Amino acid sequence: DTEVTQTPKHLVMGMTNKKSLKCEQHMGHRAMYWYKQKAKKPPELMFVYSYEKLSINESVPSRFSPECPNSSLLNLHLHALQPEDSALYLCASSRHATGSTDTQYFGPGTRLTVL
Amino acid sequence: QQPVQSPQAVILREGEDAVINCSSSKALYSVHWYRQKHGEAPVFLMILLKGGEQKGHEKISASFNEKKQQSSLYLTASQLSYSGTYFCGTEIGGGADGLTFGKGTHLIIQP
Repeated sequence: DTEVTQTPKHLVMGMTNKKSLKCEQHMGHRAMYWYKQKAKKPPELMFVYSYEKLSINESVPSRFSPECPNSSLLNLHLHALQPEDSALYLCASSRHATGSTDTQYFGPGTRLTVL
Repeated sequence: QQPVQSPQAVILREGEDAVINCSSSKALYSVHWYRQKHGEAPVFLMILLKGGEQKGHEKISASFNEKKQQSSLYLTASQLSYSGTYFCGTEIGGGADGLTFGKGTHLIIQP
């Protein structure tokens, strides 16, 4: 089973709202990622969690707040977003082999619209 | 630094072959290839590690030239299902660093 699930599929929010995106995997992977993808653009890395600890933050604005409560779950908390934050938010996970590399499996994404 | 993909777009007839290139100005640890269809998540195709190996998956294969820091994806006897946008994702170091993706190659297969 190589499934990464994300909820919700679609989200519409106002600029003053607070919402959260959820990502889950049960493959025993210890690395999890958030990517942002604008229309007709490639995915852009936002955050990386390694063994439930934030290891990479690609200078993402503080209105995006990641959280990794356990090894299977990854959240992205959203607050005071701007219309330009509208995008497809993709979660991915990989085994995390130190000194090596592993396949990143992507979830279906959450399509976010900020009004 | 973002890898450079070429061509930007390709239109083929079913059964024709295609090559998509991905090059980097930095020394790469690995190259990951994905295909993404409209409105869907990227789907993993294959990984190539430094060492210049070549991998294959049905009629899709890829190579990695470490000297040139260039990877190529070969699509043989293309099928309608191959349509989509192909991205290469690169890693500079091993481990869980996340991928830096090229701008993508849009592939259209016509019957």
